[in-house]
Amino acid sequence: GQQLNQSPQSMFIQEGEDVSMNCTSSSIFNTWLWYKQDPGEGPVLLIALYKAGELTSNGRLTAQFGITRKDSFLNISASIPSDVGIYFCATPETSGSRLTFGEGTQLTVNP
Amino acid sequence: EAGVAQSPRYKIIEKRQSVAFWCNPISGHATLYWYQQILGQGPKLLIQFQNNGVVDDSQLPKDRFSAERLKGVDSTLKIQPAKLEDSAVYLCASSFSPRYEQYFGPGTRLTVT
Repeated sequence: GQQLNQSPQSMFIQEGEDVSMNCTSSSIFNTWLWYKQDPGEGPVLLIALYKAGELTSNGRLTAQFGITRKDSFLNISASIPSDVGIYFCATPETSGSRLTFGEGTQLTVNP
Repeated sequence: EAGVAQSPRYKIIEKRQSVAFWCNPISGHATLYWYQQILGQGPKLLIQFQNNGVVDDSQLPKDRFSAERLKGVDSTLKIQPAKLEDSAVYLCASSFSPRYEQYFGPGTRLTVT
């Protein structure tokens, strides 16, 4: 199956700092999704990208669909304590709607 | 709008015992998914239903896992017998149809001792 490589695995930052994380694959995709998972909860969709080169924002979050269609980036500006959680990239399998998830980036924000 | 409901939230069992998880999807969502999330990993799809029919169960360990979605609404995932490596969070998700956004429930955390 497809494999998504997320980096970094974890990040420890100070409140107010900007954050950047990425997801790469050896395969080409038509859709990139970014989810956030809070402790004890299921993942929640943050941003969906459907076109190579697309740049989409959701509040302080900005995500980009790489031109090569093999990668995507998520940036968080001016981090706050509630940004703490695990961020996953995901993409649907080309044959259907099964989502393949990356391993996640654990974000810790120190007040 | 009510979200995806799952129960129980936590379960601890001994290996070789049986366990069942329940999921109630968002009203009107025809597609239902069960995912397994092992600690430190992303969710992995176990089975996908479209109404009450199975669309994808290629990653379901069928010798011990089973799932059903009677009447195309609620769903139950069962493990019998459980193994230590089944310790994980089991997430249920639903969507209006396969190409639409998936909404996840809070999950059931299973610990097998």
